[in-house]
Amino acid sequence: GESVGLHLPTLSVQEGDNSIINCAYSNSASDYFIWYKQESGKGPQFIIDIRSNMDKRQGQRVTVLLNKTVKHLSLQIAATQPGDSAVYFCAERRGNNRLAFGKGNQVVVIP
Amino acid sequence: GAGVSQSPRYKVAKRGQDVALRCDPISGHVSLFWYQQALGQGPEFLTYFQNEAQLDKSGLPSDRFFAERPEGSVSTLKIQRTQQEDSAVYLCASSPHSRTGKVADTQYFGPGTRLTVL
Repeated sequence: GESVGLHLPTLSVQEGDNSIINCAYSNSASDYFIWYKQESGKGPQFIIDIRSNMDKRQGQRVTVLLNKTVKHLSLQIAATQPGDSAVYFCAERRGNNRLAFGKGNQVVVIP
Repeated sequence: GAGVSQSPRYKVAKRGQDVALRCDPISGHVSLFWYQQALGQGPEFLTYFQNEAQLDKSGLPSDRFFAERPEGSVSTLKIQRTQQEDSAVYLCASSPHSRTGKVADTQYFGPGTRLTVL
Protein backbone atom coordinates (compact mmCIF):
# COMPACT_ATOMS: atom_id res chain seq x y z
CA GLY A 1 0.00 0.00 0.00
CA GLU A 2 0.97 3.64 -0.08
CA SER A 3 3.26 4.68 2.71
CA VAL A 4 5.69 7.26 3.94
CA GLY A 5 8.75 5.90 5.69
CA LEU A 6 12.20 6.75 6.92
CA HIS A 7 15.39 4.87 6.15
CA LEU A 8 17.33 5.30 9.41
CA PRO A 9 15.82 4.88 12.86
CA THR A 10 18.54 6.78 14.77
CA LEU A 11 21.10 9.34 13.74
CA SER A 12 23.89 10.36 16.11
CA VAL A 13 25.65 13.55 15.11
CA GLN A 14 28.39 15.64 16.65
CA GLU A 15 27.40 19.13 17.68
CA GLY A 16 28.28 21.55 14.92
CA ASP A 17 28.14 18.94 12.16
CA ASN A 18 25.43 18.80 9.53
CA SER A 19 22.60 16.26 9.77
CA ILE A 20 20.74 14.61 6.94
CA ILE A 21 17.49 12.73 7.47
CA ASN A 22 15.95 10.77 4.63
CA CYS A 23 12.39 9.81 3.81
CA ALA A 24 10.84 7.73 1.03
CA TYR A 25 7.27 8.09 -0.11
CA SER A 26 5.27 5.89 -2.45
CA ASN A 27 2.40 8.06 -3.71
CA SER A 28 3.68 9.74 -6.85
CA ALA A 29 0.57 11.94 -6.91
CA SER A 30 1.45 13.61 -3.59
CA ASP A 31 1.82 17.35 -4.03
CA TYR A 32 2.87 18.60 -0.61
CA PHE A 33 5.28 17.44 2.06
CA ILE A 34 6.15 18.66 5.54
CA TRP A 35 8.91 17.95 8.01
CA TYR A 36 8.00 18.01 11.68
CA LYS A 37 10.18 17.87 14.78
CA GLN A 38 8.82 16.23 17.90
CA GLU A 39 10.46 16.51 21.28
CA SER A 40 9.58 14.21 24.13
CA GLY A 41 6.18 15.01 25.60
CA LYS A 42 5.33 17.59 22.95
CA GLY A 43 3.32 17.70 19.78
CA PRO A 44 4.93 17.79 16.33
CA GLN A 45 6.42 21.18 15.52
CA PHE A 46 6.44 22.43 11.94
CA ILE A 47 9.95 22.84 10.51
CA ILE A 48 9.67 23.30 6.78
CA ASP A 49 7.46 22.30 3.88
CA ILE A 50 7.79 21.87 0.13
CA ARG A 51 5.41 21.56 -2.76
CA SER A 52 5.89 19.04 -5.52
CA ASN A 53 6.64 21.76 -8.08
CA MET A 54 9.87 22.55 -6.23
CA ASP A 55 12.96 20.46 -5.63
CA LYS A 56 14.59 22.49 -2.89
CA ARG A 57 13.53 24.87 -0.18
CA GLN A 58 15.62 26.55 2.48
CA GLY A 59 14.78 27.82 5.90
CA GLN A 60 16.81 28.90 8.85
CA ARG A 61 19.54 26.23 9.15
CA VAL A 62 17.30 23.71 7.39
CA THR A 63 16.96 22.66 3.79
CA VAL A 64 14.47 20.23 2.31
CA LEU A 65 15.21 18.44 -0.94
CA LEU A 66 12.59 16.67 -3.00
CA ASN A 67 13.45 14.13 -5.69
CA LYS A 68 10.22 13.17 -7.40
CA THR A 69 11.95 10.77 -9.77
CA VAL A 70 12.82 8.40 -6.94
CA LYS A 71 10.14 9.65 -4.54
CA HIS A 72 12.62 10.75 -1.91
CA LEU A 73 12.70 13.61 0.60
CA SER A 74 15.55 14.73 2.76
CA LEU A 75 15.98 17.24 5.55
CA GLN A 76 19.35 18.82 6.07
CA ILE A 77 20.14 20.57 9.33
CA ALA A 78 23.21 22.78 9.28
CA ALA A 79 25.46 23.17 12.32
CA THR A 80 23.42 20.80 14.45
CA GLN A 81 22.82 21.99 17.99
CA PRO A 82 21.83 20.12 21.17
CA GLY A 83 18.35 21.61 20.83
CA ASP A 84 17.96 19.75 17.56
CA SER A 85 17.82 16.43 19.40
CA ALA A 86 14.34 15.10 18.71
CA VAL A 87 12.36 12.73 16.52
CA TYR A 88 11.85 13.99 12.98
CA PHE A 89 8.90 12.99 10.83
CA CYS A 90 8.21 13.56 7.21
CA ALA A 91 4.54 13.80 6.29
CA GLU A 92 2.73 13.61 3.01
CA ARG A 93 -0.58 15.28 2.29
CA ARG A 94 -3.39 13.01 1.19
CA GLY A 95 -7.07 13.61 0.46
CA ASN A 96 -9.05 16.05 2.65
CA ASN A 97 -5.72 17.57 3.75
CA ARG A 98 -4.97 14.64 6.02
CA LEU A 99 -1.29 14.04 6.67
CA ALA A 100 0.31 10.61 6.41
CA PHE A 101 3.37 10.36 8.65
CA GLY A 102 6.31 8.03 8.61
CA LYS A 103 7.59 6.27 11.70
CA GLY A 104 10.13 8.92 12.65
CA ASN A 105 13.88 9.26 12.86
CA GLN A 106 15.57 9.92 16.18
CA VAL A 107 18.37 12.49 16.03
CA VAL A 108 20.81 12.52 18.93
CA VAL A 109 23.26 15.41 19.11
CA ILE A 110 26.50 14.63 20.89
CA PRO A 111 27.96 17.69 22.66
CA GLY B 1 0.02 34.14 20.02
CA ALA B 2 -1.57 31.15 21.68
CA GLY B 3 -1.13 27.84 19.95
CA VAL B 4 -3.34 24.78 19.93
CA SER B 5 -4.15 23.64 23.44
CA GLN B 6 -5.42 20.29 24.60
CA SER B 7 -6.80 19.04 27.88
CA PRO B 8 -6.28 17.05 29.90
CA ARG B 9 -2.60 16.47 29.16
CA TYR B 10 -2.76 13.06 30.80
CA LYS B 11 -5.70 10.76 31.34
CA VAL B 12 -5.78 7.37 33.00
CA ALA B 13 -8.93 5.35 32.51
CA LYS B 14 -10.03 1.93 33.57
CA ARG B 15 -11.03 -0.39 30.77
CA GLY B 16 -14.66 0.20 29.94
CA GLN B 17 -14.78 3.83 31.03
CA ASP B 18 -15.73 6.66 28.69
CA VAL B 19 -13.31 9.54 28.15
CA ALA B 20 -13.58 12.98 26.57
CA LEU B 21 -10.56 14.83 25.21
CA ARG B 22 -10.73 18.52 24.43
CA CYS B 23 -8.98 20.58 21.77
CA ASP B 24 -8.86 24.38 21.55
CA PRO B 25 -7.53 25.27 18.09
CA ILE B 26 -5.78 28.48 17.20
CA SER B 27 -8.37 31.24 17.11
CA GLY B 28 -9.87 31.66 13.66
CA HIS B 29 -8.53 28.41 12.27
CA VAL B 30 -11.11 26.81 10.05
CA SER B 31 -9.78 23.28 9.86
CA LEU B 32 -9.27 20.92 12.76
CA PHE B 33 -7.75 17.44 12.72
CA TRP B 34 -7.42 14.65 15.25
CA TYR B 35 -4.58 12.14 15.09
CA GLN B 36 -3.64 9.15 17.21
CA GLN B 37 0.01 8.46 17.95
CA ALA B 38 1.06 5.10 19.35
CA LEU B 39 4.36 4.83 21.19
CA GLY B 40 7.29 5.00 18.79
CA GLN B 41 5.08 5.60 15.77
CA GLY B 42 4.07 8.54 13.65
CA PRO B 43 0.65 10.13 14.10
CA GLU B 44 -2.28 8.43 12.35
CA PHE B 45 -5.20 10.44 11.01
CA LEU B 46 -8.55 10.04 12.78
CA THR B 47 -10.92 12.75 11.61
CA TYR B 48 -11.19 16.20 10.02
CA PHE B 49 -13.50 19.18 10.53
CA GLN B 50 -13.97 22.25 8.45
CA ASN B 51 -15.75 24.68 10.72
CA GLU B 52 -18.47 22.60 12.40
CA ALA B 53 -18.76 20.09 9.56
CA GLN B 54 -17.04 16.75 9.98
CA LEU B 55 -15.84 16.13 6.44
CA ASP B 56 -13.83 12.99 7.00
CA LYS B 57 -14.07 10.45 9.79
CA SER B 58 -12.59 7.55 7.90
CA GLY B 59 -9.67 7.20 10.31
CA LEU B 60 -11.76 6.57 13.42
CA PRO B 61 -10.88 2.98 14.41
CA SER B 62 -14.31 1.94 15.65
CA ASP B 63 -17.78 3.22 16.46
CA ARG B 64 -16.58 3.74 20.02
CA PHE B 65 -14.79 6.85 18.77
CA PHE B 66 -16.82 10.00 18.24
CA ALA B 67 -15.74 13.58 17.57
CA GLU B 68 -17.66 16.82 17.46
CA ARG B 69 -17.08 20.51 16.90
CA PRO B 70 -20.54 22.01 17.36
CA GLU B 71 -19.66 25.71 17.08
CA GLY B 72 -16.75 25.42 14.73
CA SER B 73 -14.09 26.15 17.33
CA VAL B 74 -13.50 23.80 20.29
CA SER B 75 -13.59 20.10 19.49
CA THR B 76 -14.09 17.05 21.68
CA LEU B 77 -12.94 13.52 20.92
CA LYS B 78 -14.94 10.98 22.88
CA ILE B 79 -14.00 7.36 23.33
CA GLN B 80 -16.62 5.06 24.77
CA ARG B 81 -15.91 1.82 26.62
CA THR B 82 -12.16 2.33 26.42
CA GLN B 83 -9.93 -0.65 25.64
CA GLN B 84 -6.23 -1.13 26.32
CA GLU B 85 -5.46 -0.75 22.63
CA ASP B 86 -6.82 2.81 22.83
CA SER B 87 -3.77 3.81 24.90
CA ALA B 88 -1.94 6.41 22.86
CA VAL B 89 -1.29 10.12 22.53
CA TYR B 90 -4.18 11.94 20.89
CA LEU B 91 -3.06 14.97 18.93
CA CYS B 92 -5.14 17.83 17.66
CA ALA B 93 -4.03 20.11 14.83
CA SER B 94 -5.56 23.16 13.21
CA SER B 95 -4.96 25.16 10.09
CA PRO B 96 -6.34 28.43 8.73
CA HIS B 97 -7.69 29.33 5.35
CA SER B 98 -5.16 30.73 2.94
CA ARG B 99 -5.58 34.10 1.28
CA THR B 100 -7.19 32.33 -1.65
CA GLY B 101 -9.85 30.98 0.67
CA LYS B 102 -8.67 27.42 0.42
CA VAL B 103 -7.59 25.42 3.44
CA ALA B 104 -3.98 26.21 4.17
CA ASP B 105 -1.43 23.47 3.96
CA THR B 106 0.34 23.73 7.28
CA GLN B 107 -1.15 22.04 10.30
CA TYR B 108 -0.20 23.27 13.75
CA PHE B 109 -0.26 20.67 16.47
CA GLY B 110 -1.15 20.82 20.14
CA PRO B 111 0.84 19.04 22.86
CA GLY B 112 -1.47 16.04 22.84
CA THR B 113 -3.35 14.09 25.49
CA ARG B 114 -1.66 10.91 26.67
CA LEU B 115 -4.36 8.33 27.34
CA THR B 116 -3.52 5.24 29.35
CA VAL B 117 -6.17 2.56 29.66
CA LEU B 118 -5.58 0.08 32.48
